[in-house]
Amino acid sequence: DAGVIQSPRHEVTEMGQEVTLRCKPISGHNSLFWYRQTMMRGLELLIYFNNNVPIDDSGMPEDRFSAKMPNASFSTLKIQPSEPRDSAVYFCASSLKGSYNEQFFGPGTRLTVL
Amino acid sequence: AQKITQTQPGMFVQEKEAVTLDCTYDTSDPSYGLFWYKQPSSGEMIFLIYQGSYDQQNATEGRYSLNFQKARKSANLVISASQLGDSAMYFCAMRDSGANNLFFGTGTRLTVIP
Repeated sequence: DAGVIQSPRHEVTEMGQEVTLRCKPISGHNSLFWYRQTMMRGLELLIYFNNNVPIDDSGMPEDRFSAKMPNASFSTLKIQPSEPRDSAVYFCASSLKGSYNEQFFGPGTRLTVL
Repeated sequence: AQKITQTQPGMFVQEKEAVTLDCTYDTSDPSYGLFWYKQPSSGEMIFLIYQGSYDQQNATEGRYSLNFQKARKSANLVISASQLGDSAMYFCAMRDSGANNLFFGTGTRLTVIP
């Protein structure tokens, strides 16, 4: 079984450019999560979806960030325009809904904004 | 409010010895799950072990066990017979029934000394 798939694995871009991160959750999972990890702030939840519907986006830093989940097998996280402080590792995770179900993480996308 | 607290930024253990990584949590929800993840230097997040709030016995998975003390709200990870490959960051996380997402601690960096 394929795990959570993220692309690209690495992204280097210049300030002001649009960045799109992609995620394919594990088939059958109905919850999807986007996290950001930095040295300063650790792991932060940005947004999560249940059954393709955004449930909690309170962790999204600002309007420059947006996330979509058009279907059960695909999600995107977009940053427009990007800034150097957005440099981080962005993880996508999926799970079955429920407090007892572990989240399976993708390999992450390392974003560097110059 | 901080939901997960890991007070040990770094720990050292001799190879083949056992080590305990501390985790305390805060919730008023009677139904919750506690998770431990390992993040090696390669960056991926690897699920290790889960403990449910209603589980009567401490969870075990191979060399990993969870010392669950509900009254003290602690969920310490015990790694027995440490191996060099155990060197990594370890994150404790909680998910309660009120939220579908995981709340992560700040992590403990474990170094296994040969």
